[in-house]
Amino acid sequence: QQPVQSPQAVILREGEDAVINCSSSKALYSVHWYRQKHGEAPVFLMILLKGGEQKGHEKISASFNEKKQQSSLYLTASQLSYSGTYFCGTERIGNQFYFGTGTSLTVIP
Amino acid sequence: GAGVSQTPSNKVTEKGKYVELRCDPISGHTALYWYRQSLGQGPEFLIYFQGTGAADDSGLPNDRFFAVRPEGSVSTLKIQRTERGDSAVYLCASSLGGLNTDTQYFGPGTRLTVL
Repeated sequence: QQPVQSPQAVILREGEDAVINCSSSKALYSVHWYRQKHGEAPVFLMILLKGGEQKGHEKISASFNEKKQQSSLYLTASQLSYSGTYFCGTERIGNQFYFGTGTSLTVIP
Repeated sequence: GAGVSQTPSNKVTEKGKYVELRCDPISGHTALYWYRQSLGQGPEFLIYFQGTGAADDSGLPNDRFFAVRPEGSVSTLKIQRTERGDSAVYLCASSLGGLNTDTQYFGPGTRLTVL
């Protein structure tokens, strides 16, 4: 039931771009993206709804393909502050909310 | 309050003991979630409240786990006869309405260690 994310981990140099993918085996109504730094709580980035795409930050955007039950998070011109673990989260029928397997992103100078 | 607060921040207990973890959501938020996060894993859904009622408790692992939200604000997660496998960070989140469009705001978590 847990969405699967890829890659599991990625290391970038400052200024490079990255794409994180999230795939679910179940029908999705929305996809949420969160970032969690070590020892801290997850922090909201953005929500994507069926039929739409929402950009939460200037250099971080995302897409949602409800037919394929997939979402992708795009990070452009990465900064050191982007480091952390990124989770997608999906809400399906009912009220359960499931976080993905996580992607560890490390940005180095 | 300004954000979601959780107490205690750390709890160490012995196997077999009873523990209570408290969550104080953002004022006005009707939806409240509890999650459990083990090291290196994503948060695992436990239970969702809409107001005072548990709208979905399908994530609770067994009947040793129970949660209440008697007045629709503060919630308490209760764990009976704790086991070493219960050790994890327990996260609470609240949102305005619990809809697909609502952002979840997370508290700092309670780190539970069962010896």
